Amino acid sequence: EAEVAQSPRYKITEKSQAVAFWCDPISGHATLYWYRQILGQGPELLVQFQDESVVDDSQLPKDRFSAERLKGVDSTLKIQPAELGDSAMYLCASSTRQPNTEAFFGQGTRLTVV
Amino acid sequence: QKEVEQDPGPLSVPEGAIVSLNCTYSNSAFQYFMWYRQYSRKGPELLMYTYSSGNKEDGRFTAQVDKSSKYISLFIRDSQPSDSATYLCAMLISNFGNEKLTFGTGTRLTIIP
Repeated sequence: EAEVAQSPRYKITEKSQAVAFWCDPISGHATLYWYRQILGQGPELLVQFQDESVVDDSQLPKDRFSAERLKGVDSTLKIQPAELGDSAMYLCASSTRQPNTEAFFGQGTRLTVV
Repeated sequence: QKEVEQDPGPLSVPEGAIVSLNCTYSNSAFQYFMWYRQYSRKGPELLMYTYSSGNKEDGRFTAQVDKSSKYISLFIRDSQPSDSATYLCAMLISNFGNEKLTFGTGTRLTIIP
């Protein structure tokens, strides 16, 4: 069964360091999302891509976060410098349907900033 | 006020009980209503989605939407220990290719054998 792949599964980093997460969506899915989920809360959208273009990055803290999907397939989310408050689960999701009533999520990257 | 409100629980019920999970929302522009299940340390997975007011059934799960009250529910019949997870409601606005998906905070459910 096709699934969204994310790596790494877990990441511990010191504050002020740079960290990067990778996502490979389900083949053929044009829409890719990065969400942040703080423990005990629901996922919050950081950035949405349609193919290689950013559709919505209004909630992305652009002073420290960046995201790219250069060839419209896999994607990288970077944080530099990391802050203690960035500790969370970072979830990638992909979808092919419009409207997006079924987003498939990866298992996420659990980030701990110390 | 958040656009989507969900009781975080936790909620514990005995095996075989009927479970009711609820969300309220304030944005009348929401068009699609979804329920996701999230097991510990995993990503959310879609259970069901509905578009209109009324009920939609899938096995032991029933999703209910009341647009007039801005209230949605998920009912789980004959609950099983494997249903223990966090349940997230989510609501979608879709407008000419622009979409906005908003999640509730999730309700943590435990089914006691």
